[in-house]
Amino acid sequence: KNEVEQSPQNLTAQEGEFITINCSYSVGISALHWLQQHPGGGIVSLFMLSSGKKKHGRLIATINIQEKHSSLHITASHPRDSAVYICAVIGNQFYFGTGTSLTVIP
Amino acid sequence: DADVTQTPRNRITKTGKRIMLECSQTKGHDRMYWYRQDPGLGLRLIYYSFDVKDINKGEISDGYSVSRQAQAKFSLSLESAIPNQTALYFCATSVPGLAAHEQFFGPGTRLTVL
Repeated sequence: KNEVEQSPQNLTAQEGEFITINCSYSVGISALHWLQQHPGGGIVSLFMLSSGKKKHGRLIATINIQEKHSSLHITASHPRDSAVYICAVIGNQFYFGTGTSLTVIP
Repeated sequence: DADVTQTPRNRITKTGKRIMLECSQTKGHDRMYWYRQDPGLGLRLIYYSFDVKDINKGEISDGYSVSRQAQAKFSLSLESAIPNQTALYFCATSVPGLAAHEQFFGPGTRLTVL
């Protein structure tokens, strides 16, 4: 049983496209974390949010606590956005999704 | 310089060997974590420590042990490595309180057990 489900698992987009990655969870949480894992393996924190919406550059993250759902949007996608995006939720412990592998083609 | 460092970055070892993975941080964070990542699986928590005197087991602690030598150092040991411990291992840190949910990850250690 996966407490965190991400969709899609794999995504290929043309440069410039608007991208949406979804995260659904089944546990009560106090916060949700979006992470980016580069092809070399390193993991970087993108957003931590517990309500509403956050924006950083071309990245936007939203969360709907009632629906237990979060989305990560990338506007004007670029090949350097190619990475694995991981959703993590914090309930009584940490739960991680398996990630969405994004490839942006020039 | 990186805030969270891990050594070694890559290691190949044989079944039955004792292995230590080290993590150091300059962020001044109290909380430190060890995760492993396997293909097709999410990150899984091995051990975590909220301060030097606090060590807690995570989801998959069997076969592993840890040592928190100082606030800045958290080591993971495999007493007798086995092939299914082949994985990518990450150390992470965070601060106490509400912001604890934001974790800062090291670059990872790729461990192969033959």
